[in-house]
Amino acid sequence: NAGVTQTPKFQVLKTGQSMTLQCAQDMNHNSMYWYRQDPGMGLRLIYYSASEGTTDKGEVPNGYNVSRLNKREFSLRLESAAPSQTSVYFCASSELRGVDTQYFGPGTRLTVL
Amino acid sequence: DQQVKQNSPSLSVQEGRISILNCDYTNSMFDYFLWYKKYPAEGPTFLISISSIKDKNEDGRFTVFLNKSAKHLSLHIVPSQPGDSAVYFCAASSTGYQKVTFGTGTKLQVIP
Repeated sequence: NAGVTQTPKFQVLKTGQSMTLQCAQDMNHNSMYWYRQDPGMGLRLIYYSASEGTTDKGEVPNGYNVSRLNKREFSLRLESAAPSQTSVYFCASSELRGVDTQYFGPGTRLTVL
Repeated sequence: DQQVKQNSPSLSVQEGRISILNCDYTNSMFDYFLWYKKYPAEGPTFLISISSIKDKNEDGRFTVFLNKSAKHLSLHIVPSQPGDSAVYFCAASSTGYQKVTFGTGTKLQVIP
């Protein structure tokens, strides 16, 4: 039981490049989330998926797209990376939406030059 | 608009003493509160939660207190141990919401 897994762990991009961050959970959870963590800003929600087949914007969605591929997988895509997207990205999942405990992956450290 | 605020970015405490981490919120619709703990290079992990129908919840060395009138909650760790050194995030949500709002975190250092 791996919980929430994320790939890659580290990534360096040049401005304008694109990439997809992958996330998978094996807990049969319904809801999945993407956060970014920046110094002094805490965890900010980028996008979430309350259930398979649905996605919604969070607090900071600009510059990102998501795909809920199936119940297990939720990917985050940067179409044209910018230095402002340098951050640590966390994927999380929960059985229920909202008040339920979220389980986080180990994070992806992304640097955009 | 920061709806969940942790005004102390860092806190240092001697081993064996009490650690008190504070959190304030502005949204009166929040009725469920959580604390997460994060070690470097790892994802946050759930620590303890409290519903607005309670004013206190305990789990071993960890106790969360909720003061609804002041829109304030605190996490007490007694006794503090070096392994408690981590960043602690306060989070809040509301029944029916699909999202959780996190605070900016407090870095706790427990000195042996």
